[in-house]
Amino acid sequence: DIQMTQSPSSLSASVGDRVTITCQASQDIRDYLNWYQQKPGKAPNLLIYDASHLATGVPSRFSGSGSGTDFTFTISSLQPEDIATYYCQQYDTLPATFGPGTKVDIK
Amino acid sequence: QLQLQESGPGLVKPSETLSLICTVSGGSISSGSYHWGWIRQPPGKGLEWIGNIYYSGSTYYSPSLKSRVTMSVDTSTNQFSLKLSSVTAADTAVYYCARSIRAVTMIAVVLVDWGQGLLVTVSS
Repeated sequence: DIQMTQSPSSLSASVGDRVTITCQASQDIRDYLNWYQQKPGKAPNLLIYDASHLATGVPSRFSGSGSGTDFTFTISSLQPEDIATYYCQQYDTLPATFGPGTKVDIK
Repeated sequence: QLQLQESGPGLVKPSETLSLICTVSGGSISSGSYHWGWIRQPPGKGLEWIGNIYYSGSTYYSPSLKSRVTMSVDTSTNQFSLKLSSVTAADTAVYYCARSIRAVTMIAVVLVDWGQGLLVTVSS
């Protein structure tokens, strides 16, 4: 299975800050990388698909980039409603696998 | 607006079979543009993809669970189901059903819509 790692595992930032999360795959996954947001007690919500494409209805402050093994997820200006855990997920090679998550909260 | 809803017992005994149904509303499960999938999340832990099924019945399972998993689809009721046999405490998790974008050239797992999740506890 392809292993996904994320860093940091958690972060605390101020409202308005730029937040960056990285995701690394154990082998080349081209651009078959998605990002999800999960708020406490809720199902995950797709934010970014295929590394850089914004899902329908997702605010433009969220963005993604990268290809191959190294990917970045960015919130350009952190909002209070962005408090959540963020997961990357690859589907280049089945089984699809998720990263361990990055918990984001407000400082 | 597509909605997915998981249903089934919240408590299953060890060694028995976990059986869940996902009911789809606001859209047809027979749409050729999507796969339908199951994902689970043990309490306080990360996400694990279990598998996908297409409306034709084609299935794609995670190898780690393949020997115990069966998925099926019922287009007449717009439902798909998950069965996981020989459960242990390690199978305790919130189980989500989801809709995945289907790609022409590969098995895509892009989970665009999710059910609210159902906590299933394995305990005697």
